Amino acid sequence: GAVVSQHPSWVICKSGTSVKIECRSLDFQATTMFWYRQFPKQSLMLMATSNEGSKATYEQGVEKDKFLINHASLTLSTLTVTSAHPEDSSFYICSAGGSGGTYEQYFGPGTRLTVT
Amino acid sequence: AQSVAQPEDQVNVAEGNPLTVKCTYSVSGNPYLFWYVQYPNRGLQFLLKYITGDNLVKGSYGFEAEFNKSQTSFHLKKPSALVSDSALYFCAVIALGGFKTIFGAGTRLFVKA
Repeated sequence: GAVVSQHPSWVICKSGTSVKIECRSLDFQATTMFWYRQFPKQSLMLMATSNEGSKATYEQGVEKDKFLINHASLTLSTLTVTSAHPEDSSFYICSAGGSGGTYEQYFGPGTRLTVT
Repeated sequence: AQSVAQPEDQVNVAEGNPLTVKCTYSVSGNPYLFWYVQYPNRGLQFLLKYITGDNLVKGSYGFEAEFNKSQTSFHLKKPSALVSDSALYFCAVIALGGFKTIFGAGTRLFVKA
């Protein structure tokens, strides 16, 4: 099956610094990737849809200047949390859409971000 | 607006017994329905989907789900639960012609030996 990787798997940073999370589709090309945020014991909240070669589409309430998304190639999307604050601490998950109209998504293992 | 409801936060089942994890949805038009599973410290994995055709769909690890249009439900089932099935299960929907996947709140399944 399709494999999506994320790096790093966990990161601790100080308040005010920026953190970049990478999402890669390893064995298929993904024109669209999605970024989610998952709070403890809660569902996935879609943050933005990342389209290769164009600007990301952000969900309502998500600050695009704070959560910078770049989808520079068909296998790589990055999420940069700028000027991180403790309330940004969360589990961030990326996914890549299925190809050929199959609609299911393939998820990365997630990145645990802790801002101190 | 699209929505997915998983009415149970947690389901407890004894190993060997059948299990059901409930899901109901609300969309305009025909839905595309999915079940995903999340094991501890791992990403979500696709289990099965309903797009069209037979209402009973079979997926990975012996799971199946039945699409019921009149009840707007897509319950996940397995005839005989395993301890290794213990995980967090998410139901999800895409509306026909839509693009975004909407996830339910998740149901934690505990299978006791």
